[in-house]
Amino acid sequence: EDKVVQSPLSLVVHEGDTVTLNCSYEVTNFRSLLWYKQEKKAPTFLFMLTSSGIEKKSGRLSSILDKKELSSILNITATQTGDSAIYLCAVQGGSEKLVFGKGTKLTVNP
Amino acid sequence: DAEITQSPRHKITETGRQVTLACHQTWNHNNMFWYRQDLGHGLRLIHYSYGVQDTNKGEVSDGYSVSRSNTEDLPLTLESAASSQTSVYFCASSEFPGSSYEQYFGPGTRLTVT
Repeated sequence: EDKVVQSPLSLVVHEGDTVTLNCSYEVTNFRSLLWYKQEKKAPTFLFMLTSSGIEKKSGRLSSILDKKELSSILNITATQTGDSAIYLCAVQGGSEKLVFGKGTKLTVNP
Repeated sequence: DAEITQSPRHKITETGRQVTLACHQTWNHNNMFWYRQDLGHGLRLIHYSYGVQDTNKGEVSDGYSVSRSNTEDLPLTLESAASSQTSVYFCASSEFPGSSYEQYFGPGTRLTVT
């Protein structure tokens, strides 16, 4: 059974801090790993990592896929209060389905 | 602009009633998915479809059904609503089978079963 585990489940930091969110997975026929950000609404897509694209960066956010360790990290530098959200990690295996982790709730205090 | 919409956005119903949640996408995506999101469980897959007339069960499909009569719509029906089905429901869609494409999510429907 495909499985995704995120850690920590929650995190409280101060503005300006750098945070690292973790995602580990077990999946048959790995195809891709996706990160989503969810505020008080629908999840919005951040990054997709595949065997051919193991590192992605967008502004203060970056993500790396470690296929050997079956894991990924999402880094956020110089955090802002607007980064407060639940960050979801999902993995796609041999089918079109995504298997989601439970998410990391990030709170950034001013 | 293409989008994915859900209706209603909020619904209160009584135990035992049949409820249908609508999902409509204008992306022309083949794949559509229904999830529920509960505290402590994250997003869990209820049903999904890879195209017209195709439906498949996800990990929490008991008490739910879907039908896919066209590309744009995948309604989710709760046959006999139970309090355990109080949740936030998200519909999502993605492009062609056999590729890695992100799923796009609708705004969600908050369902309360009393």
